[in-house]
Amino acid sequence: DSGVTQTPKHLITATGQRVTLRCSPRSGDLSVYWYQQSLDQGLQFLIQYYNGEERAKGNILERFSAQQFPDLHSELNLSSLELGDSALYFCASSGQGAGLDEQFFGPGTRLTVL
Amino acid sequence: SQELEQSPQSLIVQEGKNLTINCTSSKTLYGLYWYKQKYGEGLIFLMMLQKGGEEKSHEKITAKLDEKKQQSSLHITASQPSHAGIYLCGADIQGAQKLVFGQGTRLTINP
Repeated sequence: DSGVTQTPKHLITATGQRVTLRCSPRSGDLSVYWYQQSLDQGLQFLIQYYNGEERAKGNILERFSAQQFPDLHSELNLSSLELGDSALYFCASSGQGAGLDEQFFGPGTRLTVL
Repeated sequence: SQELEQSPQSLIVQEGKNLTINCTSSKTLYGLYWYKQKYGEGLIFLMMLQKGGEEKSHEKITAKLDEKKQQSSLHITASQPSHAGIYLCGADIQGAQKLVFGQGTRLTINP
């Protein structure tokens, strides 16, 4: 158990809908990272937050947004969903520094868009 | 094209045999991370390498980062069924402060 929790574990929704994925980092970790893993694209970095502020951005679509709250949990919002958004979404957290460090991954949320 | 190339993409070995997985970049790697993933599950951190020439070992797994910091290898000695899974290398390429991952190597261990 990495100490990172993600909810829900599975999510099935329809095209055009909006969903919110939630992540709670390990106790004391200030950085939260979001990743998307699909069969064709592999594991892709989406976005990083450090202590509530956006720190780094990857291949995140404009339809997607994220935030980190004062209690350090984070949410990833996916809107106007398309079939191609079906994937595993992982959250990871790391320690006190803002730079890259060992990342602890959550179990993931499997999103299926029908 | 992938910024990080892993080879091979899949590997089937007999239990007890040694194996090597490679991770290559055309650019300098600032921090190289090896993770293991069971299908459909989260990633488990294995090792992190930062200095050229660095080598780390944990149980029967050894990882090295070459002197030029553009290639890493993961070596498993006397493989066991518990080693089966997908091995992913991740790296901060050129200090961009974000991890890029290879496409993964699927390892199967035959008894």
